Amino acid sequence: EAGVVQSPRYKIIEKKQPVAFWCNPISGHNTLYWYRQNLGQGPELLIRYENEEAVDDSQLPKDRFSAERLKGVDSTLKIQPAELGDSAVYLCASQSYNEQFFGPGTRLTVL
Amino acid sequence: KNEVEQSPQNLTAQEGEFITINCSYSVGISALHWLQQHPGGGIVSLFMLSSGKKKHGRLIATINIQEKHSSLHITASHPRDSAVYICAAYNTDKLIFGTGTRLQVFP
Repeated sequence: EAGVVQSPRYKIIEKKQPVAFWCNPISGHNTLYWYRQNLGQGPELLIRYENEEAVDDSQLPKDRFSAERLKGVDSTLKIQPAELGDSAVYLCASQSYNEQFFGPGTRLTVL
Repeated sequence: KNEVEQSPQNLTAQEGEFITINCSYSVGISALHWLQQHPGGGIVSLFMLSSGKKKHGRLIATINIQEKHSSLHITASHPRDSAVYICAAYNTDKLIFGTGTRLQVFP
């Protein structure tokens, strides 16, 4: 069974540019999470989806971040415009029975 | 004060040593996860437990619900065990992460 797939693995952009990350969860997993992980820290939740509904987006900086999960499967996370402080690893995870399975992450560098 | 705290933050060991990483939490949980993250790599779930003890190979995880404390043990440590180990408490449909313990095992 394939794991959680994320792309791209790495992204380097200049500040003020837009960027998008894509996640394909494990088949059949209805719950999907996006996390941001800064260097040396644990992941921080950005948004949680139950199927196509965003049930917890309280930590998502809505002025520049947006996310969608059309059809309740794949999800995209977008930042527009990116700022220097957005440099981090963006992790996607899907869940089954309280256990989360993480993707490899996208390492974003904003110059 | 973080809701999930780990100790130590950094740990070095010689190959073959027995290693213990501790996790304390202050929130109610339905499960506690131990996760492993290699440099530049994704996060891998090692254990999910809500009571007692689990063992997988050289890894052992224990949890004491009354004391709100969990430990991860590595027996006969090996350089390939070098990674960041993260404790995460599952609370009301979300994981609350500790800051991780960076382990380096030297040959």
